[in-house]
Amino acid sequence: GENVEQHPSTLSVQEGDSAVIKCTYSDSASNYFPWYKQELGKRPQLIIDIRSNVGEKKDQRIAVTLNKTAKHFSLHITETQPEDSAVYFCAASGGIKAAGNKLTFGGGTRVLVKP
Amino acid sequence: DGGITQSPKYLFRKEGQNVTLSCEQNLNHDAMYWYRQDPGQGLRLIYYSQIVNDFQKGDIAEGYSVSREKKESFPLTVTSAQKNPTAFYLCASSKDRAGEQYFGPGTRLTVT
Repeated sequence: GENVEQHPSTLSVQEGDSAVIKCTYSDSASNYFPWYKQELGKRPQLIIDIRSNVGEKKDQRIAVTLNKTAKHFSLHITETQPEDSAVYFCAASGGIKAAGNKLTFGGGTRVLVKP
Repeated sequence: DGGITQSPKYLFRKEGQNVTLSCEQNLNHDAMYWYRQDPGQGLRLIYYSQIVNDFQKGDIAEGYSVSREKKESFPLTVTSAQKNPTAFYLCASSKDRAGEQYFGPGTRLTVT
């Protein structure tokens, strides 16, 4: 099955700096890669996702890049703010051709933005 | 909040008892999922259902059971066979097999 590794497990940045989280996946058939943000005690919420037919996607201060050859994808947060502090999860799934939209999650990255 | 509700928010049970967690969605989504989250860890898939009256095991199905008798409901039963049931349980749904998954608020289960 799919295996997703996420690094780093914790990340501390100064407000205004950039944060980068990296994930690798094992199944070359995976074609959908969402990123979720989870604040303490709350539900995960999708912040951005990318499908395998594109290499990069941006939404304001957030961007995701995908390298299918190397089987890794990254989340980039620019101009970090204290409200960006949370746990971020990457995930991968095989999409329509797979047996259901089975998301395999990485272990999470706890991001702390220091004011 | 995405139209997915889970109840209760906190649940306490004694070891050896079965317990059922509720998950309801009004999004008209076909697919529904149950995940388990342990402290400091990612989400692991327990069961998922792509359509009414059909469901499949996820990565950690042992000790759990589900049913999908209605499109909007996907209850999870944690049986006494589950060795370490204390965890945060999250339900999710998606429009179809390839769509974004929306999560419910979660149920924190404590078994002593």
